[in-house]
Amino acid sequence: QPVLTQSSSASASLGSSVKLTCTLSSGHSSYIIAWHQQQAGKAPRYLMKLEGSGSYNKGSGVPDRFSGSSSGADRYLTISNLQSDDEADYYCETWDSNTRVFGGGTKLTVL
Amino acid sequence: EVQLVQSGAEVKKPGESLKISCKGSGYIFTNYWIGWVRQMPGKGLEWMGIIYPGDSDTRYSPSFQGQVTISADKSISTAYLQWSSLKASDTAMYYCAKWDQWGQGTLVTVSS
Repeated sequence: QPVLTQSSSASASLGSSVKLTCTLSSGHSSYIIAWHQQQAGKAPRYLMKLEGSGSYNKGSGVPDRFSGSSSGADRYLTISNLQSDDEADYYCETWDSNTRVFGGGTKLTVL
Repeated sequence: EVQLVQSGAEVKKPGESLKISCKGSGYIFTNYWIGWVRQMPGKGLEWMGIIYPGDSDTRYSPSFQGQVTISADKSISTAYLQWSSLKASDTAMYYCAKWDQWGQGTLVTVSS
């Protein structure tokens, strides 16, 4: 079963960029992942599906400021021109034939 | 518009049973896996299990196997999560989710 590792927290200034990392466990480096955003007190929101090639497909209405990339077992979510409502928890997710799993989430603070 | 609409908040006592629902619309309900996710207060997201409404194939996370039952009624495009005997530790927000869409959540509070 795959395991996803995320840093517990990150911070960046308003208007700057931030790159969040999700690392797949050994033997699962080719897996596709999804990124989700959860603002405080709200349901999660699907952001994008991201392949090992770096190709990604965003959900409806997700701003152009959100992009994805990949390197080996690492999957990245980059948010540019940070806005105050980007402050949220960000979760990566992956799946195989029998299970789905989330990373522990990264709490992003916009300074 | 694709939507997943969940049933309302519940307050139950330990030992009681409960079934919460998630109604899909705007897409072909039988063609997509739909799952349930637990979020305990102040904690992260945990997959509980998933179901394919087309044939009711169901997979459970090992942590939740035997603790809950996931089902679906494709005639009304609705998935369910049920407990036969609730515990205080089941207090959490529960979300249903298709791969690219989330429900709004159902808060379950179990307290004597």
